[in-house]
Amino acid sequence: QVQLQESGPGLVKPSETLSLTCAVSGYSISSGYYWGWIRQPPGKGLEWIGSIYHSGSTYYNPSLKSRVTISVDTSKNQFSLKLSSVTAADTAVYYCARLSGAYGWFDPWGQGTLVTVSS
Amino acid sequence: DIQMTQSPSSLSASVGDRVTITCQASQDISNYLNWYQQKPGKAPKLLIYDASNLETGVPSRFSGSGSGTDFTFTISSLQPEDIATYYCQQYDNLPLAFGPGTKVDIK
Repeated sequence: QVQLQESGPGLVKPSETLSLTCAVSGYSISSGYYWGWIRQPPGKGLEWIGSIYHSGSTYYNPSLKSRVTISVDTSKNQFSLKLSSVTAADTAVYYCARLSGAYGWFDPWGQGTLVTVSS
Repeated sequence: DIQMTQSPSSLSASVGDRVTITCQASQDISNYLNWYQQKPGKAPKLLIYDASNLETGVPSRFSGSGSGTDFTFTISSLQPEDIATYYCQQYDNLPLAFGPGTKVDIK
């Protein structure tokens, strides 16, 4: 079955760039679907960050658009998130997930990775 | 942007009780509404898509209904393993948006 696994630094300094990768197994990204990033600050709700298709077509949440870049590497079957100029407010568990379509539902999800922004 | 609200924000019920959570969208989203279950320390899990379709493998005690702006999620007989936070999510328009969540625990 399809599995997703996030990886990246667990600690990022303020004003620096957060970088995460989501490795996909059990399905080829090149075969279709959109792939997305969602985050959840500690004790809070879920926020969609953005999504990408294997062609590289992207959609971003306007609230983060100026700082977000999502890219895909079909040769490695993974996609990545970069969030620039981070502050403490970007501290969150970051999840990657498959989308049912450009707009749709998220399923399955990765286990999530906690990123803390602190000096 | 479409805003999602949920009520109640939390509830406590007994095993076997019928539990109902409501989700309201700030504008008509047709049936483009999904429900997720998130247990502590775990990733969310899709339960219901398109307002009323049960995801494969999800117990039949979970159900969803509604269209337009008002939606309902029901657990027909609450089980101890249903302790979790439940989120609705709209996909009628970007940005994709989740409700604030409803925390369910056992009385």
